[in-house]
Amino acid sequence: SYELTQPPSVSVSPGQTASISCSGDKWGDEFVCWYQQKPGQSPVLVIYQDDKRPSGIPERFSGSKSGNTATLTISGTQTMDEADYYCQAWGTGLWVFGTGTKVTVL
Amino acid sequence: QVQLVESGGGVVQPGRSLRLSCGASGFTFSDYSMHWVRQAPGKGLEWVAVISYGGINKYYADSVKGRFTISRDDSKNTLYLQMNTLRREDTAVYYCAKDSGLSGMDYWGQGALVTVSS
Repeated sequence: SYELTQPPSVSVSPGQTASISCSGDKWGDEFVCWYQQKPGQSPVLVIYQDDKRPSGIPERFSGSKSGNTATLTISGTQTMDEADYYCQAWGTGLWVFGTGTKVTVL
Repeated sequence: QVQLVESGGGVVQPGRSLRLSCGASGFTFSDYSMHWVRQAPGKGLEWVAVISYGGINKYYADSVKGRFTISRDDSKNTLYLQMNTLRREDTAVYYCAKDSGLSGMDYWGQGALVTVSS
């Protein structure tokens, strides 16, 4: 099977930078996406193709990938960014989500 | 604007069947692959199935392979998920999601709750 591992939780102070890692056990050339999900809401795509932002997503969200690890970075974190974040990768016939990270802004 | 609206959720006994529907609007439905993704109560996201545009290719997670069938009716702009031999562990909110064509899912429905319980 194909697994993507994220830290269960990340805490950050308002205005600081939050970094969320996503480690894959079988990385190839797969692109990584990131989703934000707030309580009681559907997921929202915040990063696609490793480092691209959909329209309407604030510039403080950025993505990168190096070796076996992808990273979502939230610069100047705001209280509205408190949410669960999931990475996701795609291979032939298989889509996989990461284990999820709860970001707490305090 | 893009809208995805799931329907058909409910309470069902183990071993029984249920069919979910997802009505799409605001984009050319036939041009895009579509996914089902589920989330068990208090748990993370789990990809369930995908159907390509044209309906030629279908892929499933191992956990549902052989029990669930994804299909689409482009004339009705509707995506379906036929769920057979349901198990308690299939209890979840089921989301339909539009594939962006760029490796992500760019629009999601509000979700339909499926509860498998006797």
